[in-house]
Amino acid sequence: QVHLVQSGAEVKKPGASVKVSCKASGYIFTRYYIQWVRQAPGQGLEWIGWINPDSGDTKFAQKFQGRVTMTSDTSINTAYVELSSLRSDDTAVYYCTRSSPLDSWGQGTLVNVSS
Amino acid sequence: QSVLTQPPSVSAAPSQKVTISCSGSSSNIGDHYVSWYQQLPGTAPKLLIYDDNKRYSGIPDRFSGSKSGTSATLAITGLQTGDEADYYCGVWDHSLSAEVFGGGTKLTVL
Repeated sequence: QVHLVQSGAEVKKPGASVKVSCKASGYIFTRYYIQWVRQAPGQGLEWIGWINPDSGDTKFAQKFQGRVTMTSDTSINTAYVELSSLRSDDTAVYYCTRSSPLDSWGQGTLVNVSS
Repeated sequence: QSVLTQPPSVSAAPSQKVTISCSGSSSNIGDHYVSWYQQLPGTAPKLLIYDDNKRYSGIPDRFSGSKSGTSATLAITGLQTGDEADYYCGVWDHSLSAEVFGGGTKLTVL
């Protein structure tokens, strides 16, 4: 079965960068996009963007343009999202999810941005 | 402020039926397939419905989705206490070039 396993929780200071990984198993990694979604404490879901692991093409939500990078390593079936210039309102649980539709989700990675 | 509008909360008694609405526009619900997700406390979202009305693998037929124009609806029949969760609608928006979600609806089974 499909599994997406994410890296562990991170604590970062404002202005720093964070990189979260998402290791896929149970399917052919290059056949499905990986999307990233975050959820601030007590809030709803917010789409960050997607990556096509086969081509490396990416698309990001406008609010993250210039601050987000998505990459993938097909040799180890792993996708990454990196967010730079972190602010306190970037504190959230970050999820990777296979698409489309968004049928399998990672367990989430808490990123806590605090001085 | 979410692009898709959902009621913040709904409630019903066990065994009853509840519906959750999701209102959007011609650039999202009106032109693209809607999905519904269930998020139990402290867990990742789980896909329930995709392509407006298709149940994902393993989802009981108590859950159903429908769409009309720029609104979508999730219906849950035979409510169980285990259905208490947050429910989100999601859809692609071609004007924003982004996946958008509703603000979420908290279901309480009284």
